[in-house]
Amino acid sequence: DVKVTQSSRYLVKRTGEKVFLECVQDMDHENMFWYRQDPGLGLRLIYFSYDVKMKEKGDIPEGYSVSREKKERFSLILESASTNQTSMYLCASSTGPHGNTEAFFGQGTRLTVV
Amino acid sequence: AQKITQTQPGMFVQEKEAVTLDCTYDTSDPSYGLFWYKQPSSGEMIFLIYQGSYDQQNATEGRYSLNFQKARKSANLVISASQLGDSAMYFCAMREAYYSGGGADGLTFGKGTHLIIQP
Repeated sequence: DVKVTQSSRYLVKRTGEKVFLECVQDMDHENMFWYRQDPGLGLRLIYFSYDVKMKEKGDIPEGYSVSREKKERFSLILESASTNQTSMYLCASSTGPHGNTEAFFGQGTRLTVV
Repeated sequence: AQKITQTQPGMFVQEKEAVTLDCTYDTSDPSYGLFWYKQPSSGEMIFLIYQGSYDQQNATEGRYSLNFQKARKSANLVISASQLGDSAMYFCAMREAYYSGGGADGLTFGKGTHLIIQP
């Protein structure tokens, strides 16, 4: 069974902390994505990666960075967490460069910044 | 302009009735994929159905079918014989085939429709 696993289901962090959200996939997928989901806004793409050590900005990259040192692992980093980064974060992976491949999602991490 | 528009923020439907969830999209890419995902209250995103822009037939997967009208840029999800377990958020999404370099190559999502099935 295909699997995308996010390291935490729930996280509470303080303003100004450095936060790491980890995502691991076991499907040997080239592409990995980080989204945030907010009520009324749907899912918005933060960053994606199409290969090891490669990264591209999505629609809302400000305040975030990413790391992909191994094919199966894609990390989202909040350098200095702020309250407006309280959200649900979803990691996804897919194979192939083109439009006909579905993305598989992790279970989500609900991050609260206080 | 929004790439994916879901005009129904919420819907109430009686159990066993058919449901149509609306989705319109905007792209100039001739090759693209359209997806529907279900998100129950537990939070995970569940892939339901896919339609490719060059597919001649409408996609079907069990009780789910996609009413694809390319000229109208419409990709509505139809759920036949709805069940209580169908209550969830439903997201329409699109992935364009060719990365333009000026934007993101991930899935672009609509804002979702909250479907509630009533007994």
